[in-house]
Amino acid sequence: DAGVIQSPRHEVTEMGQEVTLRCKPISGHDYLFWYRQTMMRGLELLIYFNNNVPIDDSGMPEDRFSAKMPNASFSTLKIQPSEPRDSAVYFCASSRGQALTKNTEAFFGQGTRLTVV
Amino acid sequence: AQSVSQHNHHVILSEAASLELGCNYSYGGTVNLFWYVQYPGQHLQLLLKYFSGDPLVKGIKGFEAEFIKSKFSFNLRKPSVQWSDTAEYFCAVKVWGGKLIFGQGTELSVKP
Repeated sequence: DAGVIQSPRHEVTEMGQEVTLRCKPISGHDYLFWYRQTMMRGLELLIYFNNNVPIDDSGMPEDRFSAKMPNASFSTLKIQPSEPRDSAVYFCASSRGQALTKNTEAFFGQGTRLTVV
Repeated sequence: AQSVSQHNHHVILSEAASLELGCNYSYGGTVNLFWYVQYPGQHLQLLLKYFSGDPLVKGIKGFEAEFIKSKFSFNLRKPSVQWSDTAEYFCAVKVWGGKLIFGQGTELSVKP
C-alpha cells in the first residue's frame, strides 16, 4: 500500500479564498483523522470519521471549516473563507478498528502546508 | 475530556546522554498508548506502542517506554541518544471508540 496520500503538499492562497485539502486513507482502514499542526497549539485533532461517518467534530475551530468523507477512500477538509490564522500543516491519518487491540495504530500522510496571505 | 500532557517542550542533550520524556494522560478507562516521532519536515512515524501485557515496551532505534497505570503515565526513554534522534516526539492516547489524542510534543535537540 502507498500509505496515506494527501494533496496538495503545499498550498498558498489569498485570504478569503476557498481551500480544499484532500486525503486518501490506507485501504481497509475504517478510521480517518484530520489534524492541524502549529507551533503555538501543537497537533490538534479537528475531526475524525468511522466508516465514513463523522464521529467527533468538536475540534473544528469554526464554521468556516468543514470535512466530508463521501466514500471509504477519500476525504476532504475545506476552509471557506480562509484566513491568515489558518496557516498550518494539516495532517490526515488513518487506522483500523476501534477496539483497543494490536495493529490499530494510526498512519499519517505527508501533510499539506497551508499558507494564507 | 480526554487529554495528553507532555512535560517538556524542548529538551537539549549531548550525544550519549540518557533521555526520558514524560507523558501523562487523563482518561479513566482502558487506553492504548503510542509514541510518534517527527523528523524535521516529515510526517509522524510510529516509534512504539502499548496495547496490553508487559508495561515495558520496546520500539525502534533503541527507544522504550513504560506504562504506569497508577500514574497515568507513559514515559519514553533511551539510554544513549544520537545526533540523528533530533526530532519532535509526540505521545498519543487512543480511547475506546477510536479517538486518538496527541500531546503538545517535545522537541529534542541532540548536540554532537
